[in-house]
Amino acid sequence: QKEVEQDPGPLSVPEGAIVSLNCTYSNSAFQYFMWYRQYSRKGPELLMYTYSSGNKEDGRFTAQVDKSSKYISLFIRDSQPSDSATYLCAMSGGGTSYGKLTFGQGTILTVHP
Amino acid sequence: DAEITQSPRHKITETGRQVTLACHQTWNHNNMFWYRQDLGHGLRLIHYSYGVQDTNKGEVSDGYSVSRSNTEDLPLTLESAASSQTSVYFCASSAGQASMSSRGGEAFFGQGTRLTVV
Repeated sequence: QKEVEQDPGPLSVPEGAIVSLNCTYSNSAFQYFMWYRQYSRKGPELLMYTYSSGNKEDGRFTAQVDKSSKYISLFIRDSQPSDSATYLCAMSGGGTSYGKLTFGQGTILTVHP
Repeated sequence: DAEITQSPRHKITETGRQVTLACHQTWNHNNMFWYRQDLGHGLRLIHYSYGVQDTNKGEVSDGYSVSRSNTEDLPLTLESAASSQTSVYFCASSAGQASMSSRGGEAFFGQGTRLTVV
């Protein structure tokens, strides 16, 4: 069983829809939770990060972490065609594991005009 | 602007050959990582380094090696290329936990190297 599970999709939605992306994990040592966005033939770029449990909002994006359930989510409101990309969740612990990211499989999202 | 660059961007090699992929960063980051990306697997960690002369094995390290002789570079070597190593390889760097700009260990990625072993 993978440490981090993510539904690979693909996910196809109309412009303006609310998108929900999710990951579950098994390692209770994870403390830092991130979402990366990767456009085709490019390297991933950090979209959101959260330390421990809670919510974080940045414009149309909201990241949620529930450590008790080992579950993280990314919500995209008013989705745009420019949001079409692969979204990867990533996590790491602290101390000697800080920065050593474990990724989910990635979800391919397409937003239709 | 600081950046992380990988070379070559594309490479085709034959089974059994030794191959080295270059990674160079100008962020002055202590941490550097090599990942491979395959369909259905996401990004998997091959090797990583937390500083000069420090190297560690990741999840899928068999058949790969790295060395860190300076802060800027972490070359990845495939000792004897195999078809199973056909993949897209990404190098990344990040600041240490003590850094104010660390943002949870945010990794900055290169553009990737597409390697085909025939």
